[in-house]
Amino acid sequence: GENVEQHPSTLSVQEGDSAVIKCTYSDSASNYFPWYKQELGKRPQLIIDIRSNVGEKKDQRIAVTLNKTAKHFSLHITETQPEDSAVYFCAGGDTNAGGTSYGKLTFGQGTILTVHP
Amino acid sequence: DTAVSQTPKYLVTQMGNDKSIKCEQNLGHDTMYWYKQDSKKFLKIMFSYNNKELIINETVPNRFSPKSPDKAHLNLHINSLELGDSAVYFCASSPRGTVYNEQFFGPGTRLTVL
Repeated sequence: GENVEQHPSTLSVQEGDSAVIKCTYSDSASNYFPWYKQELGKRPQLIIDIRSNVGEKKDQRIAVTLNKTAKHFSLHITETQPEDSAVYFCAGGDTNAGGTSYGKLTFGQGTILTVHP
Repeated sequence: DTAVSQTPKYLVTQMGNDKSIKCEQNLGHDTMYWYKQDSKKFLKIMFSYNNKELIINETVPNRFSPKSPDKAHLNLHINSLELGDSAVYFCASSPRGTVYNEQFFGPGTRLTVL
């Protein structure tokens, strides 16, 4: 099955700096890579995603890059703000995982991002 | 409000007891999920149902039994609770079962087994 590794486990930056979180995946069949943000005590929420036919996607201050050959993808947050402080999860998904044709997401271990004012 | 809701929000119980967590979504989604988030924040899928049919059943002790009476509800029953079951359990739903769809999470149920 799929294995998603996420680094670093904790990341501390100053407000205005950039933050980068990296993930690697093991299953070359994975074709969908979402990123979820979980604020303290709250539920995870999707912030951006990328499919395997795209190398980069950007939405305002956040961007995700994908390198299929190396099987890794990254989240980039520019001009960080204190409200960006949260746990960020990457995930890998394969539409045919388990032969269901539905697929499932395998999440990384999470990165605790702290943005200091 | 359109949302994924779970009850109860907190559950504190003794080892050996049986408990249930309920989940409801009014988003009209076909697919629902149960995830377990442990103390290290690791989020792992347990089960998934598509239109009341079980489609994902991960390696989970058979003390955990999901039930979907209709596509808007997915409940989780846990028998003979153990200390290691303490975690936050999240229900989620998505429009269809394909992995490309955003999953909408419920607020979570924090289960503490004493």
